Amino acid sequence: LAKTTQPISMDSYEGQEVNITCSHNNIATNDYITWYQQFPSQGPRFIIQGYKTKVTNEVASLFIPADRKSSTLSLPRVSLSDTAVYYCLVPLYNQGGKLIFGQGTELSVKP
Amino acid sequence: SQTIHQWPATLVQPVGSPLSLECTVEGTSNPNLYWYRQAAGRGLQLLFYSVGIGQISSEVPQNLSASRPQDRQFILSSKKLLLSDSGFYLCAWSLSGGVAKNIQYFGAGTRLSVL
Repeated sequence: LAKTTQPISMDSYEGQEVNITCSHNNIATNDYITWYQQFPSQGPRFIIQGYKTKVTNEVASLFIPADRKSSTLSLPRVSLSDTAVYYCLVPLYNQGGKLIFGQGTELSVKP
Repeated sequence: SQTIHQWPATLVQPVGSPLSLECTVEGTSNPNLYWYRQAAGRGLQLLFYSVGIGQISSEVPQNLSASRPQDRQFILSSKKLLLSDSGFYLCAWSLSGGVAKNIQYFGAGTRLSVL
């Protein structure tokens, strides 16, 4: 199982760019990297998924170096509403869709 | 579009009572279905997942069971609740093929308090 490690918490201010890095040293060849966001008392929400290099959508960017042993979720110009827990997951390619959520990174955005 | 319904939103049950939480998905066929529990704090624990009618995989041995009587219906049950069953229960679905199964869509959750 590709175990992931990410910071427990991060603080930021409105308007700043936030980068959350996740390490997954034993990621396998066919594994993708997936990020979710969770607000209190709600289910997690899919943010972005990538395999290599850079992926960008309307919410975030995901940077993955060539060795794929880490990834960085980048949130541009955060607002108070981005305060949430962010989970980095590496779902096993051959595990039928099982997702193992860790503790995530609690991002606190201050005014 | 696809939607997921999960009810009730909150539930208070006495120890030893039965439990039945229901989850239904609309707008897709043959989804993968999941039940998670989140205790106070962070981290979701995968309880059960199903890739088809009547096919249930249990991740953690416990006081709970799951059933999938119809393609888009997933039920979480217990015959006798324990205090330790309290938590936030989430149902989720995903497509069944390729990397799309990594993208799960969650219901609103059920906050269960066992007293």
